[in-house]
Amino acid sequence: GAGVSQSPSNKVTEKGKDVELRCDPISGHTALYWYRQSLGQGLEFLIYFQGNSAPDKSGLPSDRFSAERTGGSVSTLTIQRTQQEDSAVYLCASRNRGGTSGNNEQFFGPGTRLTVL
Amino acid sequence: AQSVTQLDSQVPVFEEAPVELRCNYSSSVSVYLFWYVQYPNQGLQLLLKYLSGSTLVKGINGFEAEFNKSQTSFHLRKPSVHISDTAEYFCAVSDAWFGNEKLTFGTGTRLTIIP
Repeated sequence: GAGVSQSPSNKVTEKGKDVELRCDPISGHTALYWYRQSLGQGLEFLIYFQGNSAPDKSGLPSDRFSAERTGGSVSTLTIQRTQQEDSAVYLCASRNRGGTSGNNEQFFGPGTRLTVL
Repeated sequence: AQSVTQLDSQVPVFEEAPVELRCNYSSSVSVYLFWYVQYPNQGLQLLLKYLSGSTLVKGINGFEAEFNKSQTSFHLRKPSVHISDTAEYFCAVSDAWFGNEKLTFGTGTRLTIIP
């Protein structure tokens, strides 16, 4: 079956512009994560969605970052007023939360490479 | 709070030689441990994981790792590497409870196989 997909694969934007990054999780996966991979900070957790529960936003670096998950499926990560330090690869992962904790692997998408000029 | 340390940022190894990639973690609670591999221009793929039970865990592509609680380590090993193993390897931890299981990653080790 299809894996996690993300779009666009690459995004170049100018400082100060808003960007939207999209994630399509594996069908039926109830948990969805966003991570960021940057040269300076490595791989960092950003936000977690699980069903209709309130998302865990504890990893979002500033209030310019927000995310939504509509209908328990597709998620959009929005960065407002982008800054050069936002340049990174943004990775999405999904997981089937049913079953024993820890047994269910997070499946990662290929990422969106964001470059802020 | 949890943290993961991968001391070696780059490891060059001759083809068919053994390799060990080191990972140490710090946590105040019980953890699950993972190794992920990232091939060039690709996403992360799970190599193996430790949840409980046997401390020696076998994964895909001939890799294995051993959980050592007293040394808070989870080193990754392969007895004989191949050119196709060239990639970046990430060690990660998550809380061992039925929560969101967000992953805390190390900074990665770039494994380069020398023909």
